[in-house]
Amino acid sequence: DADVTQTPRNRITKTGKRIMLECSQTKGHDRMYWYRQDPGLGLRLIYYSFDVKDINKGEISDGYSVSRQAQAKFSLSLESAIPNQTALYFCATSDPGVGAFFGQGTRLTVV
Amino acid sequence: QKEVEQNSGPLSVPEGAIASLNCTYSDRVSQSFFWYRQYSGKSPELIMSIYSNGDKEDGRFTAQLNKASQYVSLLIRDSQPSDSATYLCAVFSGGYQKVTFGTGTKLQVIP
Repeated sequence: DADVTQTPRNRITKTGKRIMLECSQTKGHDRMYWYRQDPGLGLRLIYYSFDVKDINKGEISDGYSVSRQAQAKFSLSLESAIPNQTALYFCATSDPGVGAFFGQGTRLTVV
Repeated sequence: QKEVEQNSGPLSVPEGAIASLNCTYSDRVSQSFFWYRQYSGKSPELIMSIYSNGDKEDGRFTAQLNKASQYVSLLIRDSQPSDSATYLCAVFSGGYQKVTFGTGTKLQVIP
């Protein structure tokens, strides 16, 4: 089983719909992140969390919200999806002693 | 100034040559440094870590760290077409040791 699991892997949704992307991890790391990646571009940080009670906005948080339900679970929500949120989304965990580890990604299409 | 900077490339090298990828970072007290490889549409995968000044070798990969110059590099010897990918530099910094990724350098190995 993957150490960092994202669900769903692929999703097509309509403009204006609310959608939640889920991430769970078995690495035991406190730090978790959500990134989006557009074709040909680098990772852009949406939100990050150092622990259950510590959630921080990244560089592109507008239009997104997150919930850290437990050390192992970090969910990303799009309250009202729009087409320019079509992208590949990655969840990651990190520990400075061993690095960062990514989920398989969620390919989201907003039509 | 970005926290972690990389040349976006593409860097083109012939098969069998040495590919040299570079990264600079802004936080002088950063302690942990990592290199990731990302194939198009896939999640980044960890390939090298380095924590001390000098060189660290693992197979065809060598990571180099110079903390005085705030510079990290990755050398790939005997480059293969399968090495064609985007390489991301990651640096842990700050009191909470948050990971920050560069935008990546695209490497093309020409057969």
